[in-house]
Amino acid sequence: EIVLTQSPATLSVSPGERATLSCRASQSVNSDVAWYQQKPGQAPRLLIYGASTRATGIPVRFSGSGSGTEFTLTISSLQSEDFAVYHCQQYNKWPPQYTFGQGTKLEIK
Amino acid sequence: EVQLMESGGGLAQRGGSLRLSCAASGFTFSDYWMNWVRQAPGKGLEWVANIRQGGSERFYVDSVKGRFTISRDNAKNSLYLQMDSLRAEDTAVYYCARTPGRTRFFDTWGQGILVTVSS
Repeated sequence: EIVLTQSPATLSVSPGERATLSCRASQSVNSDVAWYQQKPGQAPRLLIYGASTRATGIPVRFSGSGSGTEFTLTISSLQSEDFAVYHCQQYNKWPPQYTFGQGTKLEIK
Repeated sequence: EVQLMESGGGLAQRGGSLRLSCAASGFTFSDYWMNWVRQAPGKGLEWVANIRQGGSERFYVDSVKGRFTISRDNAKNSLYLQMDSLRAEDTAVYYCARTPGRTRFFDTWGQGILVTVSS
């Protein structure tokens, strides 16, 4: 099983500042990583797929990078609505054994 | 509007059964792989199972193999998850989620339904 480790577990950032979230895979997953945003009591929302492609309707302040085992989600200028939990997911293997990271909680500083 | 809506959750006894349903609307259901993903209270997300467009291929996470069965009825635009031999660790919010095209991530999610397994 491919294990994804997200860091930090909690990130405190002020509105308007940049946030950088990390996701490390236990083995190479090429660029088969997606990022999701989840607010309390809501379903996850797709932000990024293919490590760096923004999903439809996602603001340009969200960007993804990385390949192999190291991935980063960057939010360039935090808005109030961006404070949430962020999950990374790998989908590299077939038959599927998709796995998620444990999540990073982005909170207001 | 593309929508997924789960139903059928609730309280079940350990060792018991429950069947979840997911009603799809706003898109051609039969064109998509579909998935179940769950989230235990206060925990991260866990992919549970998926099913090919016509139902000919189904895959499961190891922890539910032999206990859960995913199925679909394209005529009714519906996805199902039959959960048998339930365990306390199956307690979670269960989401149905769509996989677009030939990709393997999830672009649309339902609102989720809570399943609680009591001992």
